[in-house]
Amino acid sequence: DQQVKQNSPSLSVQEGRISILNCDYTNSMFDYFLWYKKYPAEGPTFLISISSIKDKNEDGRFTVFLNKSAKHLSLHIVPSQPGDSAVYFCAASDRESNFGNEKLTFGTGTRLTIIP
Amino acid sequence: ETGVTQSPTHLIKTRGQQVTLRCSSQSGHNTVSWYQQALGQGPQFIFQYYREEENGRGNFPPRFSGLQFPNYSSELNVNALELDDSALYLCASSGSETQYFGPGTRLLVL
Repeated sequence: DQQVKQNSPSLSVQEGRISILNCDYTNSMFDYFLWYKKYPAEGPTFLISISSIKDKNEDGRFTVFLNKSAKHLSLHIVPSQPGDSAVYFCAASDRESNFGNEKLTFGTGTRLTIIP
Repeated sequence: ETGVTQSPTHLIKTRGQQVTLRCSSQSGHNTVSWYQQALGQGPQFIFQYYREEENGRGNFPPRFSGLQFPNYSSELNVNALELDDSALYLCASSGSETQYFGPGTRLLVL
């Protein structure tokens, strides 16, 4: 049962344009969402997070949007840069029910390639 | 760099053997979580340790066990290795909200 889904295994975007990565979830108990970026031979690097009480969170070039009614979130990167080429994972947790146990449920990842 | 370190970086074992993986958490973090990432998949939660006690477990059999030490470093032990245990094992430490990951240990079971 895949509770967090990233339906696009790969995405190619021209340098300077906007990259939009999508994530859907099925568990309505999820109340905290994160995006991680992963380069080969490295562990995932935290990018940005959003709590379910918000619908948008911005940090520099990265913005995460949350649509709770659709159980959908997206990560926008603008402008896209060659160093953004990596695998991006969406993750979710149910913090209210599992306070102190921040079990993360991950999607399968989207490989983003920025074309110079 | 997160300050989370893992050892070894790579390991080759044969089916039936036992393995111990190690993780040093970021300074000030008292919670360590372990994840298994199979090829082409996202990380899967194995278990979490908080102040030396197991604090939640994913859908993994009992041959996956762990420890957390007073300095909050942690070990993951896997007994009776199976071919499907071949994966990247990730450790993440956290103090309050966000989990920060180490580089992982790549385990190959032959």
